[in-house]
Amino acid sequence: GENVEQHPSTLSVQEGDSAVIKCTYSDSASNYFPWYKQELGKRPQLIIDIRSNVGEKKDQRIAVTLNKTAKHFSLHITETQPEDSAVYFCAATSNNNAGNMLTFGGGTRLMVKP
Amino acid sequence: EPEVTQTPSHQVTQMGQEVILRCVPISNHLYFYWYRQILGQKVEFLVSFYNNEISEKSEIFDDQFSVERPDGSNFTLKIRSTKLEDSAMYFCASTADNEQFFGPGTRLTVL
Repeated sequence: GENVEQHPSTLSVQEGDSAVIKCTYSDSASNYFPWYKQELGKRPQLIIDIRSNVGEKKDQRIAVTLNKTAKHFSLHITETQPEDSAVYFCAATSNNNAGNMLTFGGGTRLMVKP
Repeated sequence: EPEVTQTPSHQVTQMGQEVILRCVPISNHLYFYWYRQILGQKVEFLVSFYNNEISEKSEIFDDQFSVERPDGSNFTLKIRSTKLEDSAMYFCASTADNEQFFGPGTRLTVL
């Protein structure tokens, strides 16, 4: 089955700096890679996703890159703000139909210091 | 914007008791999921459900677990005889295509 590794487990940055979180996956059939943000005690919220037919996707301060050959994908947050502080999870699935399960990485606790 | 809802928000039970966690997926979604998250750990897949049957399940989803869609709106997870290690946050999710929308979760505490 799929295995997703995520690094780092914690990341502390100064407000305004960039943050990068990296994930690797094992199943070459995986083709959908979402990123979720989870604030303390709250549900995971999708912040951005990427499909295997593109290498990069950007949404304002957030971008995701995908390297299918190396089987890794990364989340980039620019101009970080204190409200970006949360746990971020990457996930992967071989979503050839809509019903496949997500395999999550271990999470990264991002702390943005004002 | 429609959301997945879950009840109760917190359930406390004694070891060995049965619990039923309830979810109302987004109304036009066809695929439903249960995940769990032990405190401080990652989200783990339990089971997916489509067309009134289980489509995938993980090793965690053993004979103590069952799912049901008893009517057109609810999706339930039953744990038949709870164990201490079942204590976790249980999230329901639903999707129409790729993006999975998560509910707010039920925190299950087994004493």
